[in-house]
Amino acid sequence: AQTVTQSQPEMSVQEAETVTLSCTYDTSESDYYLFWYKQPPSRQMILVIRQEAYKQQNATENRFSVNFQKAAKSFSLKISDSQLGDAAMYFCAYRSSQGGSEKLVFGKGTKLTVNP
Amino acid sequence: NAGVTQTPKFQVLKTGQSMTLQCAQDMNHEYMSWYRQDPGMGLRLIHYSVGAGITDQGEVPNGYNVSRSTTEDFPLRLLSAAPSQTSVYFCASSYMTGNTEAFFGQGTRLTVV
Repeated sequence: AQTVTQSQPEMSVQEAETVTLSCTYDTSESDYYLFWYKQPPSRQMILVIRQEAYKQQNATENRFSVNFQKAAKSFSLKISDSQLGDAAMYFCAYRSSQGGSEKLVFGKGTKLTVNP
Repeated sequence: NAGVTQTPKFQVLKTGQSMTLQCAQDMNHEYMSWYRQDPGMGLRLIHYSVGAGITDQGEVPNGYNVSRSTTEDFPLRLLSAAPSQTSVYFCASSYMTGNTEAFFGQGTRLTVV
């Protein structure tokens, strides 16, 4: 079974600075999908960014980018120019590409605090 | 477009009571799932479904029951509530394939006393 590990339960960053959240995963598959979700205090789960394993290019969405290292099974999220609204729980998630294995597996999350 | 509608948002149960958490989606998604979120544990999969009439167990299925009679609805039943089931519950739906985004309901905060 696939597992996702987020080794940083909590992180903090100064407003306008850059922060990187770590995520590693364990899988024997070669094709899969990775996601970062944000959960603000409202509890709503919001997709931040996604990455297909077969793509070598790292995904980018505005101030959010990933560093995808397939061989190392690492998928970190970089937030640039941090804003107060970025304060939230961030969850890394894995999804298989194989039929019959569509489950989305989450890490335990990282709580990000943004200091003014 | 309503997305994923999950009700209720809050619920308090007494030990031994039963209840059903409702989940409905209007995006014609084949895949639906239920998670529970506990502090320090992330989101753990309870049950999931890949289509009407098909359900399967996730990581923490004990004490919960599901059915999928239609594509739109995927209710979660607590058979006999226990304090250990105090948690925040999320319903999610998505298309079956690949990198499609999972859409989540707003969550249900359940307290069992």
